[in-house]
Amino acid sequence: KAGVTQTPRYLIKTRGQQVTLSCSPISGHRSVSWYQQTPGQGLQFLFEYFSETQRNKGNFPGRFSGRQFSNSRSEMNVSTLELGDSALYLCASSLDGVGTEAFFGQGTRLTVV
Amino acid sequence: GDSVTQMEGPVTLSEEAFLTINCTYTATGYPSLFWYVQYPGEGLQLLLKATKADDKGSNKGFEATYRKETTSFHLEKGSVQVSDSAVYFCALIRTNTGNQFYFGTGTSLTVIP
Repeated sequence: KAGVTQTPRYLIKTRGQQVTLSCSPISGHRSVSWYQQTPGQGLQFLFEYFSETQRNKGNFPGRFSGRQFSNSRSEMNVSTLELGDSALYLCASSLDGVGTEAFFGQGTRLTVV
Repeated sequence: GDSVTQMEGPVTLSEEAFLTINCTYTATGYPSLFWYVQYPGEGLQLLLKATKADDKGSNKGFEATYRKETTSFHLEKGSVQVSDSAVYFCALIRTNTGNQFYFGTGTSLTVIP
C-alpha cells in the first residue's frame, strides 16, 4: 500500500513569489492535514481538509490556503512568500472520522531567498 | 487551549541504557495520545498510541501509558539501540473536533555505541 506522497521534495523560491505544494494521501483516506515545521516554532497546524471541505484551520495568515480534490489529493498554496515561510511542510493523511492516527509524508522543504 | 509539554533535549545515551522521555498534556475532554518519531530528512512515523486512560501503547520495545490523573504519557524503552537515534514527538488529538494534532517541541535522542 503506497504511503503519503508529497511533491516536490525541495523548492527554492524568491520573496514575493507564490508556491503550490501537493499531497497524495493513502488510498481510501479522506482527511488531509498540513503542518509547518521550523526549528523555532516546531510543528504547527495549518489546516485540515475532509471530503473536499476545510474542517479545521490553524492560526496562519490568509496567504496560506489549501484545497482538496474529489480524489482526496490536496494542494497547499502560499502567496507573497516571506523569508519566514522557509520550513518543512508536512502533509498527514487519516482514514476517516476524527481523532484517528495520522500518516505523514516525507515533506516538502521550502527555502525562500 | 490544548497543548503538550515535552522534556527538553538533546538526550545522549549509551547503547543498552534505559530511556525515559517525559510528556505531559493539557486538553479539554478525553484526547488520544501519540508518540511519533522523525529520522533525519524524513517525515513523522507513528511509534505508538493510546486512546483512553490507563491504555498502554507499545511498539518496537517502546512503551507509554496514558495517565489521566497526572495528565502524562511518558515514553520508555528498556534498552536503546544506535538505530533509535531520532527526534521523538509527543502529540495529542481531541476526539471530537477533526484531525488536528498538537505536538510537543520534540526531544532529540542520540545513542552512542
